[in-house]
Amino acid sequence: GESVGLHLPTLSVQEGDNSIINCAYSNSASDYFIWYKQESGKGPQFIIDIRSNMDKRQGQRVTVLLNKTVKHLSLQIAATQPGDSAVYFCAEKDDYKLSFGAGTTVTVRA
Amino acid sequence: SQTIHQWPATLVQPVGSPLSLECTVEGTSNPNLYWYRQAAGRGLQLLFYSVGIGQISSEVPQNLSASRPQDRQFILSSKKLLLSDSGFYLCAWGTRNEQYFGPGTRLTVT
Repeated sequence: GESVGLHLPTLSVQEGDNSIINCAYSNSASDYFIWYKQESGKGPQFIIDIRSNMDKRQGQRVTVLLNKTVKHLSLQIAATQPGDSAVYFCAEKDDYKLSFGAGTTVTVRA
Repeated sequence: SQTIHQWPATLVQPVGSPLSLECTVEGTSNPNLYWYRQAAGRGLQLLFYSVGIGQISSEVPQNLSASRPQDRQFILSSKKLLLSDSGFYLCAWGTRNEQYFGPGTRLTVT
């Protein structure tokens, strides 16, 4: 079965607000995690990654936080825009493979 | 830069017919290659992966098969499609850690 899951299947956010998408993982030996964004009808797009020796990593308008104590991963999107509407997946690296959660659908309200 | 191609983009096939989906990667050598299937509103299920020419690992039992005849070519096949084979098929290439996805093929089995 899947070892990675997302807390909420949907998230509605007002344009301009910050979004927080959560993910829990079960394999404490995992050492690498990735967040993907998937727009309707397209393949997932790499957003940001983080290694287990880090607890925070920042990109452009996105921040990933890793809490290894509780095996929790989050993606924060600053100043959410309409173009951020998509399904977001966290993925856990297992050797050559990735295990994906079911995804959180983010809808941005104008 | 690396690019990944999949074709066709959409496909409608009758039950019992054969299937061949092709994926090619440009701009990299000896990539890891992956086939995923995504059911509507669901996460990604890894079907096959390959770390080299002729090396195929299957993740789930099914009536699909994969082949890697060339370094940057990955093919997903079936001799007889089932209704349950409908879905969004994604090819990905990767290094030791990251994976990058193609645009996907929407397969509908009727």
